[in-house]
Amino acid sequence: DAGVTQSPTHLIKTRGQQVTLRCSPKSGHDTVSWYQQALGQGPQFIFQYYEEEERQRGNFPDRFSGHQFPNYSSELNVNALLLGDSALYLCASSATGPTSPLHFGNGTRLTVT
Amino acid sequence: AQSVTQLDSHVSVSEGTPVLLRCNYSSSYSPSLFWYVQHPNKGLQLLLKYTSAATLVKGINGFEAEFKKSETSFHLTKPSAHMSDAAEYFCVVSAAGANSKLTFGKGITLSVRP
Repeated sequence: DAGVTQSPTHLIKTRGQQVTLRCSPKSGHDTVSWYQQALGQGPQFIFQYYEEEERQRGNFPDRFSGHQFPNYSSELNVNALLLGDSALYLCASSATGPTSPLHFGNGTRLTVT
Repeated sequence: AQSVTQLDSHVSVSEGTPVLLRCNYSSSYSPSLFWYVQHPNKGLQLLLKYTSAATLVKGINGFEAEFKKSETSFHLTKPSAHMSDAAEYFCVVSAAGANSKLTFGKGITLSVRP
């Protein structure tokens, strides 16, 4: 049973460009969350998707947007990239219900030059 | 709002000795608390969770944590460290359950000396 899978694993972009990161949730999971982890810091919540709708959002600008598809997979889009967007982007999935823990993927390492 | 404080950024122990990783939390609600571990170039793995049941929580790989409301603490312990325990450990709080928005601490790097 595959866990949470993310693609690509590494990505290098230039300031001002746009990037799309992808996530496939663990089988049986319908909720997807995205986190940004800067070097040496703990992950920070970006947003969560459930039933193809953004359910919760953290303190991130509108340059960060997302989408969830009918098969529960998800994309994270970042426009007008800044050097400060360089980070590890983690996707996590969970089943419905407040006691269902998050399962994390290995992340996408984004470097903005 | 909720927050987590991990005062130690780096803890070093010898193999076979006890591990203590400290965590203090702040939450406006009855919190759910977690410890996650992150090995290099890997995703986060859940070690254990507290969701208002027993205050002493047992997790994977011999780790356990005790919820102390009076001290707003949720320290992680292990009786005997193993070399494979070397990793980054995050204390995490959620106000609304395990699959809701998680607030992470800054993390503690655990080193294990042979």
